[in-house]
Amino acid sequence: SAVISQKPSRDICQRGTSLTIQCQVDSQVTMMFWYRQQPGQSLTLIATANQGSEATYESGFVIDKFPISRPNLTFSTLTVSNMSPEDSSIYLCSVTPTGVVNEQYFGPGTRLTVT
Amino acid sequence: AQSVTQLDSHVSVSEGTPVLLRCNYSSSYSPSLFWYVQHPNKGLQLLLKYTSAATLVKGINGFEAEFKKSETSFHLTKPSAHMSDAAEYFCVVSDRASLSGNTPLVFGKGTRLSVIA
Repeated sequence: SAVISQKPSRDICQRGTSLTIQCQVDSQVTMMFWYRQQPGQSLTLIATANQGSEATYESGFVIDKFPISRPNLTFSTLTVSNMSPEDSSIYLCSVTPTGVVNEQYFGPGTRLTVT
Repeated sequence: AQSVTQLDSHVSVSEGTPVLLRCNYSSSYSPSLFWYVQHPNKGLQLLLKYTSAATLVKGINGFEAEFKKSETSFHLTKPSAHMSDAAEYFCVVSDRASLSGNTPLVFGKGTRLSVIA
């Protein structure tokens, strides 16, 4: 498996501002994903972060609200833009390591509170 | 569409007694099934996975799950609960490409396991 870190681990932000979350992996990975876990809820896939190209978003999520970058095979960022209290969630990065099929490993998550 | 139903939102057991966390899935194709565990304020950890090999899958920390196609179930069990097993458990299914062209993970709503001393 891969070792995944996320920064920040938690933050409290004011509505209308933006926060960028970083995901760093200790080895090159094939796939990187971003999920959201709203309070008391399960996980929902936001998008797949594609290396060197635009991310692929799931239904209900758009690039203007959740811009994603993946400049290389070990790093990705997710920005939560123009935040509202409804964006308060845990945001998790996950990866599929190179050579692994159909498995995802998750980072520790970023707990975001919007006031 | 694929989906997962975790039949219990909360399960409470005494330490040393068996654990059973129930999961039913719906899938149009041959699914891959997973159990993840999330300890408080920690990330998700993969417990075990089923991908069309042996129907009885053994995972970490003494957990195992049995894939039963006729019942569309993938229940998680452990013979003897330990205090450290207290956590949130998610049953997950994956069977076909999403909009992204990748095989997405679809999570159940989770079951919170409490272990009583």
